Amino acid sequence: EVQLVESGGGLVQPGGSLRLSCAASGFTFSSYSMNWVRQAPGKGLEWVSFISSISSTIRYADSVKGRFTISRDNAKNSLYLQMNSLRDEDTAVYYCASAYRSGCDYWGQGTLVTVSS
Amino acid sequence: EIVLTQSPGTLSLFPGERATLSCRASQSVSSNYLTWYQQKPGQAPRLLIYGASTRATGIPDRFSGSGSGTDFTLTISRLEPEDFAVYYCQQYGNSPLYTFGQGTKLEIK
Repeated sequence: EVQLVESGGGLVQPGGSLRLSCAASGFTFSSYSMNWVRQAPGKGLEWVSFISSISSTIRYADSVKGRFTISRDNAKNSLYLQMNSLRDEDTAVYYCASAYRSGCDYWGQGTLVTVSS
Repeated sequence: EIVLTQSPGTLSLFPGERATLSCRASQSVSSNYLTWYQQKPGQAPRLLIYGASTRATGIPDRFSGSGSGTDFTLTISRLEPEDFAVYYCQQYGNSPLYTFGQGTKLEIK
C-alpha cells in the first residue's frame, strides 16, 4: 500500500522557518518525481514545488521562490521542504504528492503550517 | 500563465442526477495535460481523470472527462451520495508547472 506521511508542521512566527518532511512507503520512491501542494484554510489548491526523481530538475511557484527549498533523500525514501522567511499567507495545509503523468496520483494526509504572531 | 476557471462555483443536484462540471483555460491546453481531482472535507485530493479523459485506477465508470483546447468537462453520469465533494481541474504547463482551477463544490440538493 502506498503511503505518504507528512510531518513538521506547526505554529511559527512571521519571518521564521520550518522544515517539512514526507516519508514514503509502498512504492519505488526513487523512481518518482514529487511535489508539494498547499491549501490555505477554506481555499483551493496551490502547487508549491516539484523535484524530479534524481533531483536534477527543481521548480518553484513564484510565491515561494527564494524562500523555500525542496530536496529529497532517496536512500531514506523522504521528501523535504525547507521554508524560510515565512509569511502569514504561507498558512496552509501542505501535502506531498507523487507526480504521475501530468498530475499527482498519491497524496499524503497533509501537515498544517500556521504563520502567526 | 494559464488561468483555469471552473464553473459553476457550486452545483446543487439530487443523487441519481447527472453532473456536468466545466473547466475553461485562458489559453489552449494540451489534452495530455488536463487532470481532475475530487476532494472531500478533511481529506487529501484524489486523482480522478488524467489526460483529460483517462480514468485513474479504481475510479468508477460513472466519471468521465472530455474536452480539448480551452474547454474541458467532467461528467458524473448518476450521482452517488459519496460523489458530493469539491472538484478541481489542473493543468501541467511551463510556469507555473501546475495550475489549479478554483474548484466546483458539488452539493446535495
